[in-house]
This record gives sequence, structure tokens and C-alpha cells, in this order.
Amino acid sequence: NAGVTQTPKFRILKIGQSMTLQCTQDMNHNYMYWYRQDPGMGLKLIYYSVGAGITDKGEVPNGYNVSRSTTEDFPLRLELAAPSQTSVYFCASRPGQGLSPLHFGNGTRLTVT
Amino acid sequence: GQQLNQSPQSMFIQEGEDVSMNCTSSSIFNTWLWYKQDPGEGPVLLIALYKAGELTSNGRLTAQFGITRKDSFLNISASIPSDVGIYFCAALQTDSWGKLQFGAGTQVVVTP
Repeated sequence: NAGVTQTPKFRILKIGQSMTLQCTQDMNHNYMYWYRQDPGMGLKLIYYSVGAGITDKGEVPNGYNVSRSTTEDFPLRLELAAPSQTSVYFCASRPGQGLSPLHFGNGTRLTVT
Repeated sequence: GQQLNQSPQSMFIQEGEDVSMNCTSSSIFNTWLWYKQDPGEGPVLLIALYKAGELTSNGRLTAQFGITRKDSFLNISASIPSDVGIYFCAALQTDSWGKLQFGAGTQVVVTP
């Protein structure tokens, strides 16, 4: 079972460039999330989705966009990369309502210079 | 937003010692979770707690959901080198669309 798959694993961007972080899950989970992790900090929620066609902002959405056209995929878009977006990005999913825990991907390490 | 206060920030222990860490909050939660993160990987779930007062074990790991629903602790007994990593607490409220709050993590280093 692949679980939650993120690509790429690493990326270096120049200031002002754009890119899309890919996330796909094969567990038929309705809920998907994007978190960023900065050194010495816990994970901060960027955006989340409770189903195809439905997305909402998390705690730190500025500078990012998402879409959810299918249940499986939840890409995260950076339009104008800034050094403050240097971080490790994690995608996660869970089945649906209730208290089931999150399943995480292995992360994308992004550096903006 | 709500904040989970996790302590200690780091621990340097010898192999065979026990480890304790905890998380506290000013808010009430319905679920407490403990995750471990190895370098270059995503967090992996260790233990999930769903009921106030619940004490759950997973091998050498034991975690408890505090009676007030505002705290949780994780114990690791007889540590081994592969216990090295960052341990995160996380908490969830029922009507929050599964949006976890995370602690800042406890870095555990185990020396032989």
C-alpha cells in the first residue's frame, strides 16, 4: 500500500518562482491536509479539504493555493515563492468525520533563495 | 489559535533509561495522539487516546489522556537506540474537521 505519496522530495526555488507540490493518497480518504514544519516548531496547518471540490484555509494560508478536483489528489501551489516559505511540507489524510488520526506523507523539503 | 505546550524540548538519555514527556493546553480536546518523526520522514502514529483517563500501551510506550482533557503524557521504558527521533503530541476536537493541533516536539537522543 502506497498510503500518502508526496512529490518532489526536495526542491530549490528562486524568489518569485512558482511551483506545485503534489500529494496523492490511495486509501479513498475524504479529508486531506497540508502542513508546514519549521525547525523547533510543531506542524502548522496551511489548507485542508473535506472532499472533492471543497477546500478551506488553515492557520497559515497566505502565499498558498490548493485545489481538490479528485478524492485522491490535493496539490499545493506556491505562486510567488518567498524565503519565508522555506520549510518542510507534509500532506496528510484521514477517512472522514470522527476522531480517526492522520496518515502523513514523507514530506517535501523546499528551499527558497 | 489553540496551543499545545510540549515539554521537554529535548532529552539526552542513556540506553536503558526511561523517558517521559508531556503536553498541556488551556483548551479541552476529545482526542490526544502521539506521533514519532524520524529524519527525512513524515510523522508516524504511535498511540491514539480517545477517552479522558484512558491509559494505553504500545510495546514499551505508554500514554495517558488526562482526566481534565487538557493534557497527555507519553512514557518510553527501557530506551533503545532506535527510539531516537522527534516525538509530537497532537490533539483534536470533535467538530474541527480533523484539524490537529501539534506540540512543538521533543527531540530524543539515546546514547549507548
